[in-house]
Amino acid sequence: AQSVAQPEDQVNVAEGNPLTVKCTYSVSGNPYLFWYVQYPNRGLQFLLKYITGDNLVKGSYGFEAEFNKSQTSFHLKKPSALVSDSALYFCAGGGLNKYIFGTGTRLKVLA
Amino acid sequence: DADVTQTPRNRITKTGKRIMLECSQTKGHDRMYWYRQDPGLGLRLIYYSFDVKDINKGEISDGYSVSRQAQAKFSLSLESAIPNQTALYFCATSRDGGELFFGEGSRLTVL
Repeated sequence: AQSVAQPEDQVNVAEGNPLTVKCTYSVSGNPYLFWYVQYPNRGLQFLLKYITGDNLVKGSYGFEAEFNKSQTSFHLKKPSALVSDSALYFCAGGGLNKYIFGTGTRLKVLA
Repeated sequence: DADVTQTPRNRITKTGKRIMLECSQTKGHDRMYWYRQDPGLGLRLIYYSFDVKDINKGEISDGYSVSRQAQAKFSLSLESAIPNQTALYFCATSRDGGELFFGEGSRLTVL
């Protein structure tokens, strides 16, 4: 069965420090992998995706993610966190357009 | 105007009542989805549709039904609502292999 795991319920980071939000996947075939962000009382917004090509994917708002096939991971990163990055982040993966979501990681950036 | 519009945004109802959540989109996408979000569980797929004549069950379809009235419209119904269907519901659209575009969500409370 396909699955996406986000092992951390919450990540705290100081403003200006680098941040990492972890995601691992178990998806058959070539995985389609995505990151989304959700702000309070809003729908999810797309940040970035990996379908094929370079393992380092750059997305919106300075975020990037690294696809690691051997570790089946797709961690979200940002070199310098902003307080406004505080939100709920979801990793999603799948194929044939049936996307499985992780349980979400709440990122809190402390001023 | 939003690309993916959900109505109502908030609804409180009683056990046993029939509820319909509506979704319309101006993205021109063929693929539409209904997800349910619960704290700590992430997003779970209820139903999805790849075109007007195609309806598929997701991982948690029991107690729900859908109707794809047109390419742009996809409705979710709860025939007899129960309290454990209290959740935040999201409609989403996509192209083949692409990212999901979400509506703002419909918060349903079943008393």
